[in-house]
Amino acid sequence: GENVEQHPSTLSVQEGDSAVIKCTYSDSASNYFPWYKQELGKRPQLIIDIRSNVGEKKDQRIAVTLNKTAKHFSLHITETQPEDSAVYFCAASGGTYKYIFGTGTRLKVLA
Amino acid sequence: GAVVSQHPSRVICKSGTSVKIECRSLDFQATTMFWYRQFPKQSLMLMATSNEGSKATYEQGVEKDKFLINHASLTLSTLTVTSAHPEDSSFYICSTPGTGTLNTEAFFGQGTRLTVV
Repeated sequence: GENVEQHPSTLSVQEGDSAVIKCTYSDSASNYFPWYKQELGKRPQLIIDIRSNVGEKKDQRIAVTLNKTAKHFSLHITETQPEDSAVYFCAASGGTYKYIFGTGTRLKVLA
Repeated sequence: GAVVSQHPSRVICKSGTSVKIECRSLDFQATTMFWYRQFPKQSLMLMATSNEGSKATYEQGVEKDKFLINHASLTLSTLTVTSAHPEDSSFYICSTPGTGTLNTEAFFGQGTRLTVV
């Protein structure tokens, strides 16, 4: 089955700097890759997603890149702010609706 | 977006008792519901997939007799943790592809924090 690895597990950046989180997946049939932000005790919230027919997608300070050949995708957050501090999960999905989540990255933005 | 309502948000139960968690789709028909479990500081692990009118599909390592899933209608899926033990304490959350279109955003319930004492 699908396996999704995510790095780093923790990331601290200074406010205003950029943060990059990387994920790799194993199933070449996966074709949808969402990123979620989760605050403690709350449901995950979709922040950006990308489909396999696209290499890059951007939404204001957030961007995602996808390399299908290498089976990896990355989340880029620019101009980080303290409110960006949370746990971020990548996920992969392919034709069955169900998501396989990465292990999570705890991002801390230092003011 | 689609709304999934999950109840209860928190529950504390005694060891050996059963707990039922409900997920309702409020403004659409959810033919499929996914159930995840999340231990502290860990990822969301898929437990099972429920489909309205048929038996749930469980992921490897998940005991189907312990985690009973029922999806009797297009708006309600339930997860019952039977004979709960302290190691079952976790955050349980449901999700559904609201639009039914492949590879689109999933909609999550609010989650249930289960504590077994």
